[in-house]
Amino acid sequence: QLQLQESGPGLVKPSEALSLTCSISGASFIGNNYYWGWIRQPPGGGLEWIGNIYPNGDTYYSPSLASRVTISADASNIQFSLSLRSVTAADTAVYYCARLTHGQYQFDPWGQGTLVTVSS
Amino acid sequence: QSALTQPRSVSGSPGQSLTISCSGTRSDVGNFNHVSWYQQYPGKAPKVIIYNVNNRPSGVPDRFSGSKSGSTASLTISGLQAEDEAEYFCCSYAGSYTYVFGTGTQLTVL
Repeated sequence: QLQLQESGPGLVKPSEALSLTCSISGASFIGNNYYWGWIRQPPGGGLEWIGNIYPNGDTYYSPSLASRVTISADASNIQFSLSLRSVTAADTAVYYCARLTHGQYQFDPWGQGTLVTVSS
Repeated sequence: QSALTQPRSVSGSPGQSLTISCSGTRSDVGNFNHVSWYQQYPGKAPKVIIYNVNNRPSGVPDRFSGSKSGSTASLTISGLQAEDEAEYFCCSYAGSYTYVFGTGTQLTVL
């Protein structure tokens, strides 16, 4: 059964970069028909799509974050990563990774999420 | 790319039916039949309950149904149960491999 697990620092200083990794178990990153994404949720707020990465390495980002975001895949094919540069307090959120299934346009399953706080 | 608009909260009594709306534009909801709905309990990750407007993943009760008219999608929950109290988010494909989520609706079972 596919499981996703986010990991990374829980505290990042303003103006620095946030880096998270999503570890995949029970499936392969390069499996056909699956894509991988990052979504975040500020405390008490709504969900915000950050971006997706496809097995061929193509990436697509939210226009509002595109200038600061990079999503990449590990050569091991069992994890992918999120980098968000020049963070501010507004980037404080729970960050989730999730899988997209081709043709279904649904995020499922999700990781449990990891809280990242931006503070000095 | 603005967030889809949902009512902040809805409420209903057990056994009742209620509908949560998700209003988008002709660039997202109105242009694609790729709306999904997510149920989220406090402190937990969201879980998909509807995809591609009106498809239920296996294991999701048939009390949950989805529909779309123009640029507005809807989630209907019939036979409301106490366990349905949660936050609900819609999400739409918005073209060019991008997605947009709704603002979220808190459902209270009275």
